[in-house]
Amino acid sequence: AQKITQTQPGMFVQEKEAVTLDCTYDTSDPSYGLFWYKQPSSGEMIFLIYQGSYDQQNATEGRYSLNFQKARKSANLVISASQLGDSAMYFCAMREAEGLTGGGNKLTFGTGTQLKVEL
Amino acid sequence: DAGVTQSPTHLIKTRGQHVTLRCSPISGHKSVSWYQQVLGQGPQFIFQYYEKEERGRGNFPDRFSARQFPNYSSELNVNALLLGDSALYLCASSLDQDLNYGYTFGSGTRLTVV
Repeated sequence: AQKITQTQPGMFVQEKEAVTLDCTYDTSDPSYGLFWYKQPSSGEMIFLIYQGSYDQQNATEGRYSLNFQKARKSANLVISASQLGDSAMYFCAMREAEGLTGGGNKLTFGTGTQLKVEL
Repeated sequence: DAGVTQSPTHLIKTRGQHVTLRCSPISGHKSVSWYQQVLGQGPQFIFQYYEKEERGRGNFPDRFSARQFPNYSSELNVNALLLGDSALYLCASSLDQDLNYGYTFGSGTRLTVV
């Protein structure tokens, strides 16, 4: 089963509008973390926002907010007031230790959503 | 402060050759992880090193190896290159091995195998 599912390969949004990028996850670990990263065409992964599984409030960072619904195992990213510079690939990722024998952690990424902001 | 630096930025190699990719983490970060991102997919975990020891390994063949040096920089080595190894290789550094503070990624090395 997919650990991280992003069902929207591509999204379009008008400048200044809000957009929601979907992410669902699958884990049996009670302690986990969820991340969103932005990847422009240059390739660098830019951290946007983090939500811990025990956090009571939804995370917010400027124009980014995370709609965390634990029972539904969803962690959707909301971008308000879209800008042309928001056009990029967006990845949802989950921190986990499954399968790592040395005590480490890794991020498991979804397949991403390509967002295009239009005038 | 410098971010995570990776070298080289681009590389073209022939099938069967060997390649070494390098990464310098953010100052003070003791954990370095490597990811492979094939075109059109999300990054896939290869290795995590913390305090110079391997802390995790992803589902990659033994042709892939890595190490971390006393200054916390790291190398990723790939032997007997295959066409399918063509990808963007991302290095990420973090303060700790638990990723409580997430990662900072470098800009990556784009490897093309011909």
